[in-house]
Amino acid sequence: DIVMTQSPDSLAVSLGERATINCKSSQSVLYSSNNKNYLAWYQQKPGQPPKLLISWASTRESGVPDRFSGSGSGTDFTLTIDSLQAEDVAVYYCQQYYSYINTFGQGTKLEIK
Amino acid sequence: EMQLLESGGGLVQPGGSLRLSCAASGFIFTNYALAWVRQAPGKGLEWVSVITGSGSSTYYADSVKDRFTISRDNSKNTLYLQMNNLRAEDTAVYYCAKDFSGSFDCWGQGTLVTVSS
Repeated sequence: DIVMTQSPDSLAVSLGERATINCKSSQSVLYSSNNKNYLAWYQQKPGQPPKLLISWASTRESGVPDRFSGSGSGTDFTLTIDSLQAEDVAVYYCQQYYSYINTFGQGTKLEIK
Repeated sequence: EMQLLESGGGLVQPGGSLRLSCAASGFIFTNYALAWVRQAPGKGLEWVSVITGSGSSTYYADSVKDRFTISRDNSKNTLYLQMNNLRAEDTAVYYCAKDFSGSFDCWGQGTLVTVSS
């Protein structure tokens, strides 16, 4: 199975500053035939189900604020949150769907400094 | 509006069985694969299983293979997860999720399964 490793495990950022979360896969999730990275990012707030933020490594879902952005290719990916807002406090997960056996990263807890 | 509503969770003894259901609405059910994802208390997300739109193909995590069975009834817009030989480590909130080309764009609120004597 493809192992997804996120860093850091937790992160404290001041309001208005940038938060950066990394995700590394144990093998490439870039499908060469269509040049797409099979990588998604989710946000989960306490007591709620996860919410899809970004698919295909960098495609923001409808309604997701543009301060959220995804980048990277192959095995290394980044979720960036610009100008952190109080409502962004959550746990963030990456997921690979390159394999039929999907896997998630362990999660990164984002807090306000 | 797309909606998924899980049911069937509860307390079960080790070695017991439980069947979860997930009722879907707001989208063309047969057009999409559906998945189960679980989350143990205080832990991260774990992908459990997925079934294609027609129901012809299914895939499982190693941790549940040969114990859990995913199925769907396209006439009832309902997804199921039959869980047998349950273990303490299966204790979790179980979410059903709509698979949109691999990522999950709609999630239910989850149903809690507790395996304990």
